[in-house]
Amino acid sequence: ETGVTQSPTHLIKTRGQQVTLRCSSQSGHNTVSWYQQALGQGPQFIFQYYREEENGRGNFPPRFSGLQFPNYSSELNVNALELDDSALYLCASSLGQARHTIYFGEGSWLTVV
Amino acid sequence: SQQGEEDPQALSIQEGENATMNCSYKTSINNLQWYRQNSGRGLVHLILIRSNEREKHSGRLRVTLDTSKKSSSLLITASRAADTASYFCATDANAGGTSYGKLTFGQGTILTVHP
Repeated sequence: ETGVTQSPTHLIKTRGQQVTLRCSSQSGHNTVSWYQQALGQGPQFIFQYYREEENGRGNFPPRFSGLQFPNYSSELNVNALELDDSALYLCASSLGQARHTIYFGEGSWLTVV
Repeated sequence: SQQGEEDPQALSIQEGENATMNCSYKTSINNLQWYRQNSGRGLVHLILIRSNEREKHSGRLRVTLDTSKKSSSLLITASRAADTASYFCATDANAGGTSYGKLTFGQGTILTVHP
């Protein structure tokens, strides 16, 4: 149990639709990162939020966007869904300093049909 | 893009044997971390080794880091069936502070431990 909660756990969307995934960070964690993990691959960094500001972004198009709220919960939004967006989306929270462990949620499985 | 390669891609052993997994990476790092993932679930942090460390232990886990070769290894001793999972190395190339935690993962090693 990592204290990081993601919802929904599974969802199916149609190509072209929009999706919002949610993450509740471990209490007090001010840094949240999102990762995309395609089947059989390692996770890929999408972006990170620190104290409600985007703090770095991976190689993902602008239709991937996010928010971090004052209580440090977070959302990942994906517009104009493509079939290749089908993946496990992982949220990770930490205190944002190198000595602190990063905690991952169980992920949200997105299938785009 | 993936940081590097993990070797082997799959490893099958008997309970009680040791399991060794290797990871190579491409860029300079601040630290390297190992994670475990049970089938289709979240990642569990196992151990972190900093760039100025060469070896670290945690229970049955031993991690080594060779920054000159840009490689790391994870050794699980006296393996158990419950160790069956995918194992990933992840590098953090940033200098810490607010830049910490943008991890670059390898492809992973699938470990199967037979009872």
